[in-house]
Amino acid sequence: GAVVSQHPSRVICKSGTSVKIECRSLDFQATTMFWYRQFPKQSLMLMATSNEGSKATYEQGVEKDKFLINHASLTLSTLTVTSAHPEDSSFYICSARDVGAAGDLGGISYEQYFGPGTRLTVT
Amino acid sequence: KQEVTQIPAALSVPEGENLVLNCSFTDSAIYNLQWFRQDPGKGLTSLLLIQSSQREQTSGRLNASLDKSSGRSTLYIAASQPGDSATYLCAGVTQGGSEKLVFGKGTKLTVNP
Repeated sequence: GAVVSQHPSRVICKSGTSVKIECRSLDFQATTMFWYRQFPKQSLMLMATSNEGSKATYEQGVEKDKFLINHASLTLSTLTVTSAHPEDSSFYICSARDVGAAGDLGGISYEQYFGPGTRLTVT
Repeated sequence: KQEVTQIPAALSVPEGENLVLNCSFTDSAIYNLQWFRQDPGKGLTSLLLIQSSQREQTSGRLNASLDKSSGRSTLYIAASQPGDSATYLCAGVTQGGSEKLVFGKGTKLTVNP
């Protein structure tokens, strides 16, 4: 259980174009999904928190008009990189929190399940 | 701002050796902590989750512990195997209602046959 998929796994696009990445929770519902970016030999950096039915919350320094996030259902969030530039080339990983899971003290579970990532190359 | 440090950055050991990876947080207020494995070019595989009331978790040859008073966690790998070679990341959710996972940069482990 608790499987998260991402599509595509790899994408190459030209500078100035837009690319959409999908993140799906396959066997659970996720009110909250997270988008991370990872540059080579660096750790994961949170870009934004995506909440179903509401606007995403972006981390400081992340351009909301460039990285459009839509979380239209409890199983799907999308990240669209608009007007892509070579410096946007990175590994993008999403994660999801299971709305039905409970934490060990009866509260919400903070455990996140991660997708396999999407390698974006902008030429 | 919560920061996570992982030591060592890289580790190379012979097969069969027991080893310890370290993780420390600048803010010791940690709600839960996860250890992940990442293979080159791949996503994250969750290894162990230590929830708020717990101090350690075990799965097979892996044991993770969390000392909340000091904000330190260790991942112990027993009888290492070449297949254990990967980058190991620790990440924590700090208290205060935030769901954000803050990651360390990882320890790159190489187990030599």
